[in-house]
Amino acid sequence: ILNVEQSPQSLHVQEGDSTNFTCSFPSSNFYALHWYRWETAKSPEALFVMTLNGDEKKKGRISATLNTKEGYSYLYIKGSQPEDSATYLCAFDPANRDDKIIFGKGTRLHILP
Amino acid sequence: EAGVVQSPRYKIIEKKQPVAFWCNPISGHNTLYWYLQNLGQGPELLIRYENEEAVDDSQLPKDRFSAERLKGVDSTLKIQPAELGDSAVYLCASSLVSAGGTDTQYFGPGTRLTVL
Repeated sequence: ILNVEQSPQSLHVQEGDSTNFTCSFPSSNFYALHWYRWETAKSPEALFVMTLNGDEKKKGRISATLNTKEGYSYLYIKGSQPEDSATYLCAFDPANRDDKIIFGKGTRLHILP
Repeated sequence: EAGVVQSPRYKIIEKKQPVAFWCNPISGHNTLYWYLQNLGQGPELLIRYENEEAVDDSQLPKDRFSAERLKGVDSTLKIQPAELGDSAVYLCASSLVSAGGTDTQYFGPGTRLTVL
């Protein structure tokens, strides 16, 4: 059974502070790791897709790193803003293309003004 | 480019009633997904279509759930009869899957179902 874990489950961060959270996934059968941002009442939005060990992706103040050998990815947010408040989901995309993508439960981020 | 469209956005029904959700994927996307998302959980796949074919419906409770994707475009998901435990958000997503490519899925806003 494939398990994708995200921590912490919930996080409160002061506006302007930086933060990070973790997604851990199986280190075998790896093809890609996806990060999504899901704001309340909106559609989940794709942030990054990462495929190579050591990959680092950046989009504005948000960046992500990938370690496929040990099975984890970090998402970093620099200088948090109120619009960063959302649930951040990671999804494990297996190499066996007949297997389905497995989502974590998400990290719920609250930015405090 | 228009995103994935779902309707209705919210639905409240009494238990044992039928309900249907509709999804219009992004134009040209060959793969369509229906997910169930319970509170505090990640999305769980119910069914995946490649064009018109359901290639993974192993998680779909077939006694009460059914889905179809006519002409490989729009899709409907039906529950009949609904049970209290079906209260959740039903997400539709689509992607353009190509050989050797990654499967970035584009999601609709979801339908929040409440069964009373």
